[in-house]
Amino acid sequence: GAVVSQHPSWVICKSGTSVKIECRSLDFQATTMFWYRQFPKQSLMLMATSNEGSKATYEQGVEKDKFLINHASLTLSTLTVTSAHPEDSSFYICSASSSGGTLGEQFFGPGTRLTVL
Amino acid sequence: AQSVTQLGSHVSVSEGALVLLRCNYSSSVPPYLFWYVQYPNQGLQLLLKYTSAATLVKGINGFEAEFKKSETSFHLTKPSAHMSDAAEYFCAAFTSGTYKYIFGTGTRLKVLA
Repeated sequence: GAVVSQHPSWVICKSGTSVKIECRSLDFQATTMFWYRQFPKQSLMLMATSNEGSKATYEQGVEKDKFLINHASLTLSTLTVTSAHPEDSSFYICSASSSGGTLGEQFFGPGTRLTVL
Repeated sequence: AQSVTQLGSHVSVSEGALVLLRCNYSSSVPPYLFWYVQYPNQGLQLLLKYTSAATLVKGINGFEAEFKKSETSFHLTKPSAHMSDAAEYFCAAFTSGTYKYIFGTGTRLKVLA
């Protein structure tokens, strides 16, 4: 149980285009989802926290107009990188948490590798 | 502010030797603590977690960790390293006050044949 999927697993796009990444909780209801960014050989940096049906809360320094997050249902959250540029190339990982599960535990997706040319 | 420190960005051990990966947290309130493993181009896999029950926590793949409040530590150990243990390991802390994970900078474990 507690499986989180991400789609796509990798994507290559041209500079200036927008890319959407999906994060799904497959076997539980995720009241809260988190989006992280990981640069090569570095740790995960939290970008934003989203609760189902509410606006996402962005971490300091993360451009909300650049990284659009939607959490429209209890099983799906999307991250859209708008007008992507090469510096947005990174590994994006989502995680999901259920209010009914062990307090604090997040279940991580497999990640999406974004390369912007 | 809460923080998680992992001493040693790279650790090398011989196959069959003891694995010790260090993690210290700073928090006025003992947080929930987690160890995750990440293989290249993959997400994070939970190894074990401490949630204020037993201080010695056993996880998957033979790993265990001991929560020591007096030392604000949660070091990860495994008695005998396997080649398959080579990966990146992250320690993370969570407090209900912030409802966020704080990750350490990670430790890359290399296992030598």
